[in-house]
Amino acid sequence: KQEVTQIPAALSVPEGENLVLNCSFTDSAIYNLQWFRQDPGKGLTSLLLIQSSQREQTSGRLNASLDKSSGRSTLYIAASQPGDSATYLCALSSGGSYIPTFGRGTSLIVHP
Amino acid sequence: EPEVTQTPSHQVTQMGQEVILRCVPISNHLYFYWYRQILGQKVEFLVSFYNNEISEKSEIFDDQFSVERPDGSNFTLKIRSTKLEDSAMYFCASSPRGAGGDNEQFFGPGTRLTVL
Repeated sequence: KQEVTQIPAALSVPEGENLVLNCSFTDSAIYNLQWFRQDPGKGLTSLLLIQSSQREQTSGRLNASLDKSSGRSTLYIAASQPGDSATYLCALSSGGSYIPTFGRGTSLIVHP
Repeated sequence: EPEVTQTPSHQVTQMGQEVILRCVPISNHLYFYWYRQILGQKVEFLVSFYNNEISEKSEIFDDQFSVERPDGSNFTLKIRSTKLEDSAMYFCASSPRGAGGDNEQFFGPGTRLTVL
């Protein structure tokens, strides 16, 4: 059974810092990995999807990488802004099912 | 930009009552999903739906739950007799594809269900 772990659970940084959020998984036979953003009491916004055959995806200030051999993905946020404050969720599909398994998320606060 | 919509945003009900949560997926998507998130916990998969049939369901999705696509746009989740532990945020999602590494899922804003 796939286990998804996100570290750290919470992060508070000053505006302008470059950040790395981590996601680790136990079963490397994945189909894809998706990073989401969740604002308090709100739905999930898809940020990036990395397919199994890809190593990274970029969108604006966000870059996500995937290393299946080590069972890790990282989400890099460049030049963080207060508007980036949210919970970031990692979810991946594996093991014969395209249904994603979610991590608990990293709660990010970027203060001015 | 097309988005998944859900109604109501908040539903309060008494234990034992039936509730129906409604979703309108993105119009050209073919695969639909329900998830739930109990406060402070992980997002959990409930059920996936394709071609008017359940394609996959989790252990959570027992006989108290059912899904339906009553017309060409709506997708509903019914809980027949709600329990206190059904209190959670329920998310609907849709994707253009159900299989393959590029099946990106798009989520709605959620319905907060409170069972008293």
